[in-house]
Amino acid sequence: DVKVTQSSRYLVKRTGEKVFLECVQDMDHENMFWYRQDPGLGLRLIYFSYDVKMKEKGDIPEGYSVSREKKERFSLILESASTNQTSMYLCAIGTTGYQNYGYTFGSGTRLTVV
Amino acid sequence: DQQVKQNSPSLSVQEGRISILNCDYTNSMFDYFLWYKKYPAEGPTFLISISSIKDKNEDGRFTVFLNKSAKHLSLHIVPSQPGDSAVYFCAGNTPLVFGKGTRLSVIA
Repeated sequence: DVKVTQSSRYLVKRTGEKVFLECVQDMDHENMFWYRQDPGLGLRLIYFSYDVKMKEKGDIPEGYSVSREKKERFSLILESASTNQTSMYLCAIGTTGYQNYGYTFGSGTRLTVV
Repeated sequence: DQQVKQNSPSLSVQEGRISILNCDYTNSMFDYFLWYKKYPAEGPTFLISISSIKDKNEDGRFTVFLNKSAKHLSLHIVPSQPGDSAVYFCAGNTPLVFGKGTRLSVIA
């Protein structure tokens, strides 16, 4: 089975800090995605990448950036954390045939910005 | 503009009965629709999908129906079990665009 690992389950950061959220996959898949989940708002796409060094903005990229230097690792960066970025962050990969089989998600990182 | 809409935030159903979760979409370019299930503190897990060229797909207790003319899909769970209690997200691709979710509670 494909494994998607997010480095932290819970994180507390201060306003203004630079925050790195890491996502690592173990199966050499090209497509990786970052979403955030908020109550009443569902899952919203922040950024995605279809290959190394490639990135595309999703629906809510403001305040975020990403890095994909190696195929297996896709990092989400909060340049200057703010309280409205308190959320559950979910990394996902698109496996072969993901159009109909769906994405595989990591367990999520719950980030609290104080 | 919400491309995928789940208008019912919550649904309660008796164990053994049918659960029907609804989803509407506006983007005619979606070629697949998918349903995900999410428990608290876990990532969503893929449940079932349907191609836009089909009107029904079945997998065990789960059936998804697609009405393209109405831009509407629904997930039927029969019979419902307490372990089905979770938040269900509808999504269209690609990349996946999710609705806001419906919290299903199956009461024993």
